[in-house]
Amino acid sequence: DGGITQSPKYLFRKEGQNVTLSCEQNLNHDAMYWYRQDPGQGLRLIYYSQIVNDFQKGDIAEGYSVSREKKESFPLTVTSAQKNPTAFYLCASSISFGAVLSYNEQFFGPGTRLTVL
Amino acid sequence: GQQLNQSPQSMFIQEGEDVSMNCTSSSIFNTWLWYKQDPGEGPVLLIALYKAGELTSNGRLTAQFGITRKDSFLNISASIPSDVGIYFCAGQRAGNMLTFGGGTRLMVKP
Repeated sequence: DGGITQSPKYLFRKEGQNVTLSCEQNLNHDAMYWYRQDPGQGLRLIYYSQIVNDFQKGDIAEGYSVSREKKESFPLTVTSAQKNPTAFYLCASSISFGAVLSYNEQFFGPGTRLTVL
Repeated sequence: GQQLNQSPQSMFIQEGEDVSMNCTSSSIFNTWLWYKQDPGEGPVLLIALYKAGELTSNGRLTAQFGITRKDSFLNISASIPSDVGIYFCAGQRAGNMLTFGGGTRLMVKP
């Protein structure tokens, strides 16, 4: 079965601790993305990666970090610098990043709900 | 950054009724997308629109890409209980980046 997996589904952490969220895909996609979703709001882009060993900041990158050492994996670290980390985090991938006038469908994982106590 | 205004924020309808929701933007988008999100899951793409004026159907769903490229609407005909969820519009920015609307929460009463 091809798809995107995120683990764990629920994560609890104490304030001030860094936490890393996992995202793995076996779709052979080049591009991967991390989004944050707050209640009653749309998704906001945190970071994206067009290809392995490359990543770029999205709209709300402050307090987050990522790595892309392998094509299949794009872990997100929520650092203690993130002021309000409690949220639902979604990972997505697409076959490629695409060009200005073309769009490649983004496929989403099931999400990780992070609660900071 | 860019904002997409999606309305209504929520709808509570009777099974069998038709539903309409829309998104407007102050900016032009090259592509409009409509996603559905079930509780606790990631969004799933319903319809993609690539051309201004385009009208596309997917079963009971119909969506249109506005002529001005700044708006889009989604209609659901003859709603059923499994239509429950949050519907998001999204506009494509440069490359493959998306801007999402705030979502429309749909509730269907059997």
